[in-house]
Amino acid sequence: EDQVTQSPEALRLQEGESSSLNCSYTVSGLRGLFWYRQDPGKGPEFLFTLYSAGEEKEKERLKATLTKKESFLHITAPKPEDSATYLCAVQPPDAGNMLTFGGGTRLMVKP
Amino acid sequence: DGGITQSPKYLFRKEGQNVTLSCEQNLNHDAMYWYRQDPGQGLRLIYYSQIVNDFQKGDIAEGYSVSREKKESFPLTVTSAQKNPTAFYLCATGGYVVNEQFFGPGTRLTVL
Repeated sequence: EDQVTQSPEALRLQEGESSSLNCSYTVSGLRGLFWYRQDPGKGPEFLFTLYSAGEEKEKERLKATLTKKESFLHITAPKPEDSATYLCAVQPPDAGNMLTFGGGTRLMVKP
Repeated sequence: DGGITQSPKYLFRKEGQNVTLSCEQNLNHDAMYWYRQDPGQGLRLIYYSQIVNDFQKGDIAEGYSVSREKKESFPLTVTSAQKNPTAFYLCATGGYVVNEQFFGPGTRLTVL
């Protein structure tokens, strides 16, 4: 069974304190890995798609990277407005456009 | 203004009632999805549809039903057979060209 595990479950940072969120997966032949940001009471907002090991994508203070077993979402010099839950999802090779989601990491950035 | 709309934003259901959640999109995406999110958990797939008049069960379809009569609309009915329906329900769209799924704002359902 395909599994996606995100760690840590929750992360508290001081403003400006850089860190990384982890998404590990057991899917073989990954078609794509997706990162979303979700604010409380709202739908997830698409951030990045990664397709192959070694690929990197950046957006403002966020950079996503991918290896054969895991993905990292690096947050550089975070601000309080980066506080949200970050969701990772994988697209297995034989499941059409279906996504399997991890449990998410709740990030809190204190000023 | 392109996007995905879900209504209502909040919904309260009495035990034994069926309720229907609306999802409409004008992105011209072929595929539509319904997910359920419980507090502190990831998203679980309820039903999905890749084409009009066709839909498939996801991982947790019991107690739910859907229809896809138009490309733009994919309503979800939560039936009285769903024993624990209190949750946040999310509709998403995607397509054959794009692999990503895009989400609506969600409906929070509470059973009284």
